[in-house]
Amino acid sequence: DGGITQSPKYLFRKEGQNVTLSCEQNLNHDAMYWYRQDPGQGLRLIYYSQIVNDFQKGDIAEGYSVSREKKESFPLTVTSAQKNPTAFYLCASCRQTNSPLHFGNGTRLTVT
Amino acid sequence: DAKTTQPPSMDCAEGRAANLPCNHSTISGNEYVYWYRQIHSQGPQYIIHGLKNNETNEMASLIITEDRKSSTLILPHATLRDTAVYYCIVRVTGSSNTGKLIFGQGTTLQVKP
Repeated sequence: DGGITQSPKYLFRKEGQNVTLSCEQNLNHDAMYWYRQDPGQGLRLIYYSQIVNDFQKGDIAEGYSVSREKKESFPLTVTSAQKNPTAFYLCASCRQTNSPLHFGNGTRLTVT
Repeated sequence: DAKTTQPPSMDCAEGRAANLPCNHSTISGNEYVYWYRQIHSQGPQYIIHGLKNNETNEMASLIITEDRKSSTLILPHATLRDTAVYYCIVRVTGSSNTGKLIFGQGTTLQVKP
């Protein structure tokens, strides 16, 4: 089945460590997105990529980094510079920028 | 900022139609109305979208007013599994746009037996 896979579902890290969240899609979608969700809140855009080897900052990019070396993959690194990294992270993709976004089931990151 | 306004919560009886309203009074001519829902601890699920005509699919119907300033998502026969947060989003489309979605707070729909 085609879809978006985020792994792991739960991730625990110590403060001061960088951590990379995986997002893989086999839908042949060009555009990919990373969102963050805090309890009781809507989703906020971190980074997005419309094509391989290109990406742009979203509304809350500080403390995060991404890469897009392959069409299928868009990993997100949460760096130690991110002040409040504990959150639910969601990856999404779409075939073109005018087609619906499809979301993965998220990674819940806890930093202590 | 999100360009939509939704009630924070609504209840619906199981088996009845759920009508979820959304105001988007500043919508532009090239912006579509999208609806997603999110069940707790899962990723948002796409439901339906439209520009100005009413739309229907296997999940729901979308009614957009003639002036496009508001819309209503209709779940014709709500079930307990439809309990979720429903997001109404306006989205700029076109090849020169990013395609990103800007989420608001959504409406928490509680379907009751």
